[in-house]
Amino acid sequence: SYVLTQPPSVSVSPGETAKITCGGNNIGSKSVHWFQQKTGQAPVQVIYLDNSRPSGIPERFSGSNSGNTATLSINWVEDGDEADYYCQVWDSNSDHVVFGGGTKLTVL
Amino acid sequence: QVHLQESGPGSVKPSETLSLTCSVSGGSMTSYYWSWIRQSPGKGLEWIGYIYGSGSSNYNSLLKSRVTMSVDASKNQLSLKLTSVTTTDTAVYYCTRGGLPAAKSPGFWGQGTLVIVSS
Repeated sequence: SYVLTQPPSVSVSPGETAKITCGGNNIGSKSVHWFQQKTGQAPVQVIYLDNSRPSGIPERFSGSNSGNTATLSINWVEDGDEADYYCQVWDSNSDHVVFGGGTKLTVL
Repeated sequence: QVHLQESGPGSVKPSETLSLTCSVSGGSMTSYYWSWIRQSPGKGLEWIGYIYGSGSSNYNSLLKSRVTMSVDASKNQLSLKLTSVTTTDTAVYYCTRGGLPAAKSPGFWGQGTLVIVSS
């Protein structure tokens, strides 16, 4: 089965740029989606189809995807961005929805 | 804007069947993929399976033998049944809809419902 690998944690100071990676075999050939989950809440999609933002998501959130790594970037990080972030793809071989293990973003 | 609301018993005994319903408002059930996703306490997201508005489905290989999903478009409802539950099935269960027509990736999520498996 297809595996997505994320770092368990990333820490940044307010105003800096946070980069959260998602590794997978030739992930650049797949469409990657990103979700933000704050404590006690349901996940919310922040990026879809590699680099598109749903309505209401700030322009500070962006995504890229190439080779074996997809990246979620959050510019000018704010305290309110502190959350768990999950990457997700659809694996055509298994016809399964696959999630990464999640990355906890801490704002220092 | 589509709204999803999960409902069902908050607790289930081991070996019994977990049954959940998802009520959908604000959108059509056809032309979309609907997934159930769960999250064990303190853990990550686990995809359980999807069902298309027409009724075709596919389940996580690890759970396939115990899972059944169905859709009732006339009632705007989805259902999930998970048989022979154990304590490892304790989780928050989310109902989701594809973000775009015919997209399998979940774009919209319900608030989730906690199910505890305990005797």
